[in-house]
Amino acid sequence: AQKITQTQPGMFVQEKEAVTLDCTYDTSDPSYGLFWYKQPSSGEMIFLIYQGSYDQQNATEGRYSLNFQKARKSANLVISASQLGDSAMYFCAMREGYGTASKLTFGTGTRLQVTL
Amino acid sequence: DAEITQSPRHKITETGRQVTLACHQTWNHNNMFWYRQDLGHGLRLIHYSYGVQDTNKGEVSDGYSVSRSNTEDLPLTLESAASSQTSVYFCASNPGDTDTQYFGPGTRLTVL
Repeated sequence: AQKITQTQPGMFVQEKEAVTLDCTYDTSDPSYGLFWYKQPSSGEMIFLIYQGSYDQQNATEGRYSLNFQKARKSANLVISASQLGDSAMYFCAMREGYGTASKLTFGTGTRLQVTL
Repeated sequence: DAEITQSPRHKITETGRQVTLACHQTWNHNNMFWYRQDLGHGLRLIHYSYGVQDTNKGEVSDGYSVSRSNTEDLPLTLESAASSQTSVYFCASNPGDTDTQYFGPGTRLTVL
């Protein structure tokens, strides 16, 4: 079974609108972390946001927020007020276990295109 | 500024040749990782290291090796390159007291 599932290969959003990128995960470990990375066309991987499994509040970083629904095992990324520069591939990833064993498992990504 | 670099950024090689991709970080991070990125697969873990002299196999380690002789470097070696190893390779590091991994710019490897 896939540990990280991103069901949207591609998404379109108009500039200034909000968009939600879906991510579901599968783990039996009570301690885990969830990440979102952005990969623009230039190719680098840019860390956006992190949510720990024990965090009570949803993580936010500027225009990015993580809609964490533990019971549904979902960790959707919400981008508010989309900008043209948000056009990129977005990857959801998970770290299982506690401590320094920070191996990440990635989803297959969602390509977001922001239009005028 | 502290950073993580990879070299070369682009490499073309022939089947059967040995290839080494370099990864160097100046953050003094204990943990370092190598991933490959292929269409339809996202990023997959090849090898990782939690410190000097420590190396571990990841999900897709066959045909690859790493060594960690110092904190800053984790070179990835393809012992006998195969066309299936054509990919983009990313190195990443993290300090070990937080989860976030920071990625290098990537190396695009083509095996003909």
